[in-house]
Amino acid sequence: AQSVAQPEDQVNVAEGNPLTVKCTYSVSGNPYLFWYVQYPNRGLQFLLKYITGDNLVKGSYGFEAEFNKSQTSFHLKKPSALVSDSALYFCAVRDPHSGAGSYQLTFGKGTKLSVIP
Amino acid sequence: SQTIHQWPATLVQPVGSPLSLECTVEGTSNPNLYWYRQAAGRGLQLLFYSVGIGQISSEVPQNLSASRPQDRQFILSSKKLLLSDSGFYLCAWSPGVGFNQPQHFGDGTRLSIL
Repeated sequence: AQSVAQPEDQVNVAEGNPLTVKCTYSVSGNPYLFWYVQYPNRGLQFLLKYITGDNLVKGSYGFEAEFNKSQTSFHLKKPSALVSDSALYFCAVRDPHSGAGSYQLTFGKGTKLSVIP
Repeated sequence: SQTIHQWPATLVQPVGSPLSLECTVEGTSNPNLYWYRQAAGRGLQLLFYSVGIGQISSEVPQNLSASRPQDRQFILSSKKLLLSDSGFYLCAWSPGVGFNQPQHFGDGTRLSIL
């Protein structure tokens, strides 16, 4: 069975400082990993994904994430936080070899990011 | 480009009343479709998914049901709503082939049961 953990319910960061939102995962094989952002009363927006290849992936709005297989982590990062980055962030994992359930995503519980002006 | 529409955006229903939430996708064919419920603005619970017309997989036994009468239409229903059915319901789609593609979400329906 696959699982995702986001160990921080909330992350506070000052505007202009770098931000990191943590994610660890557990799958039986090689994972497909995704990050999403959710603004209040909106759906989830896709930010970036890791499938294979370069461990550092770049996505929308200046976000990037680093895949670390040995630590089973996929932390989301941004060099300089904006107040508009304040939102709820979800990490998700898919095990492409899980048979009939391969299309399903397993989501973490979310991390609320607050960027302080 | 592909778009996904959900309606209504908000809904207030009495306990015991029926429910019908609709989701449609434009700009793609043979998508995989999903219904999620999000409680208290946090974790997502997968309720149903569909890989084709008339093919519905249920992840959580409950008084909700889903149907896919057309390729790009996904409907969430209930015959009698419970207080516990309150929440934020999200529809999503992903391409019908390729596990490396993300899911794309609609803007959700906020359901309040009185």
